[in-house]
Amino acid sequence: KAGVTQTPRYLIKTRGQQVTLSCSPISGHRSVSWYQQTPGQGLQFLFEYFSETQRNKGNFPGRFSGRQFSNSRSEMNVSTLELGDSALYLCASSLEGQGSNTEAFFGQGTRLTVV
Amino acid sequence: GNSVTQMEGPVTLSEEAFLTINCTYTATGYPSLFWYVQYPGEGLQLLLKATKADDKGSNKGFEATYRKETTSFHLEKGSVQVSDSAVYFCALSDTGRRALTFGSGTRLQVQP
Repeated sequence: KAGVTQTPRYLIKTRGQQVTLSCSPISGHRSVSWYQQTPGQGLQFLFEYFSETQRNKGNFPGRFSGRQFSNSRSEMNVSTLELGDSALYLCASSLEGQGSNTEAFFGQGTRLTVV
Repeated sequence: GNSVTQMEGPVTLSEEAFLTINCTYTATGYPSLFWYVQYPGEGLQLLLKATKADDKGSNKGFEATYRKETTSFHLEKGSVQVSDSAVYFCALSDTGRRALTFGSGTRLQVQP
């Protein structure tokens, strides 16, 4: 079956702009989580959606937001981009959510560069 | 809060050498433990997992045992290959946050 698909793979944006990243989970998976990966901070949890509802959020400013659609596809948005937002953004899907024992499947990520 | 500590890298080994990457954790409750691997330019792939104390996860020659008494989940492989070169992440499931908490990652370089 198809894996987790993230688009686009690469993005270059200017400070102050906003950006939207997309994630299509594995068919049948209702939970989608987003993580930010940077060399300095490692992998940090952004938020998790399940059946169109945000169930939990990490410690990120309000400039980071997301949503999930009825087909479980998810988008995350970052407004007023800062240089420090440059990172690899990873999406993960699972059947029930990563607090359970079910496996999380990750996409290849979107590499965002803010200049 | 929950946390995962991994040994610093990079770890450089010759092909066929024995590998150990140490991982210890701090958590409330009884989390599941995972090892993920990330190849250059790729996302994370689940390597193995263990869901309760004394469970041993294994895959592709890699093994790790969930040790509750030492709060550890060390990754081992008896004979590494060049193709094992990657970054390895130890992680635990956080039931409260419905998220994975990751260690900082350990880069493994295997030389022929």
